[in-house]
Amino acid sequence: GQQLNQSPQSMFIQEGEDVSMNCTSSSIFNTWLWYKQDPGEGPVLLIALYKAGELTSNGRLTAQFGITRKDSFLNISASIPSDVGIYFCAGPYNDYKLSFGAGTTVTVRA
Amino acid sequence: NAGVTQTPKFQVLKTGQSMTLQCAQDMNHEYMSWYRQDPGMGLRLIHYSVGAGITDQGEVPNGYNVSRSTTEDFPLRLLSAAPSQTSVYFCASRRAGNSPLHFGNGTRLTVT
Repeated sequence: GQQLNQSPQSMFIQEGEDVSMNCTSSSIFNTWLWYKQDPGEGPVLLIALYKAGELTSNGRLTAQFGITRKDSFLNISASIPSDVGIYFCAGPYNDYKLSFGAGTTVTVRA
Repeated sequence: NAGVTQTPKFQVLKTGQSMTLQCAQDMNHEYMSWYRQDPGMGLRLIHYSVGAGITDQGEVPNGYNVSRSTTEDFPLRLLSAAPSQTSVYFCASRRAGNSPLHFGNGTRLTVT
């Protein structure tokens, strides 16, 4: 599959903070997807992006499809404790195969 | 709605043993797939199926077999388990076309 590089690898959040993460690829994607995985569960789709430059929101989450089509960004505004989990970016590299980034683990700062 | 159901939730095997991870979906999805999740590596595609009777390999198919005799079920077989197959396995399904994947809750497999 295509290599997707996600950063940061992990982050600590404090309630109320805005946080950002991104995903880059050496190849062009026509779709960017952002998933969240809660402990002990499977990933759940948060946002899907289909067009370069597109900015899409889902509640406090906002994601952007980079204009080069080689990157995407996810922002979480006003963090709350239930935002903890692992966030994955993903992109299809053909009709049937989806590549995932390694994930960004979000933890609450003590 | 059950969605995608995986069994068992946990399994411990000895090297060389065989087993089948079960996956069933009740959404009449044409596409089903198996991923493994390892720390620092995200999810990697093992095998997938675009419909009953049709399967194909993903990124990391070695050591795994699949079959798709019905639309609902997509079992993953380990014929001779190895410690390198210790992982969390996720089954996922979706409708044909550009629709989102629905994941099961995973099977955590340890091979000793």
